[in-house]
Amino acid sequence: DAGVTQSPTHLIKTRGQHVTLRCSPISGHKSVSWYQQVLGQGPQFIFQYYEKEERGRGNFPDRFSARQFPNYSSELNVNALLLGDSALYLCASSLGQGGIMSLHFGNGTRLTVT
Amino acid sequence: TQLLEQSPQFLSIQEGENLTVYCNSSSVFSSLQWYRQEPGEGPVLLVTVVTGGEVKKLKRLTFQFGDARKDSSLHITAAQPGDTGLYLCAGARGETSGSRLTFGEGTQLTVNP
Repeated sequence: DAGVTQSPTHLIKTRGQHVTLRCSPISGHKSVSWYQQVLGQGPQFIFQYYEKEERGRGNFPDRFSARQFPNYSSELNVNALLLGDSALYLCASSLGQGGIMSLHFGNGTRLTVT
Repeated sequence: TQLLEQSPQFLSIQEGENLTVYCNSSSVFSSLQWYRQEPGEGPVLLVTVVTGGEVKKLKRLTFQFGDARKDSSLHITAAQPGDTGLYLCAGARGETSGSRLTFGEGTQLTVNP
């Protein structure tokens, strides 16, 4: 079975540009979460989507937005990129939205902002 | 504010040695998970602990959740080079937090043959 897939795997952008990252969850999983992992640190929660609705948002500016589609895939958008946005962006899927969830992570998108 | 403190940050040991990684917080978590992450890959879930004082064993790995559900430890017996990786603890606060996890900064373990 296919795991969580993310695209692209690597991306280089310039300050001020915008970026769209994509995630396909494991088949049957209805919840998608996004995390940012800066080099040398643990992942930080950005968003959770369940059944196409935002169910949680971390401490990130409004430049970060996301959405979930009817097929449960998801996009993360970041506008007006800053150098500090350079990080590994991880997508995780799970069956539901609450309780004790087993998160399945993709291999991430490595974003470099120059 | 880092809610979960992991120690040590870096650990380099020889094959066959034992080690313990700690995850501490001043906050109570409803559950705590341990992940392992290898370069170029996403974190992979190792275990979830829920009950205070709970101990879980996964082959050579032993996980413990503190009685007050504020801390956890991961003990590896007879470490092997294949154990090399970044070990992350992650806590969930509240029953509805689900996939909203707070991660520690990780412990980078290197096991030398």
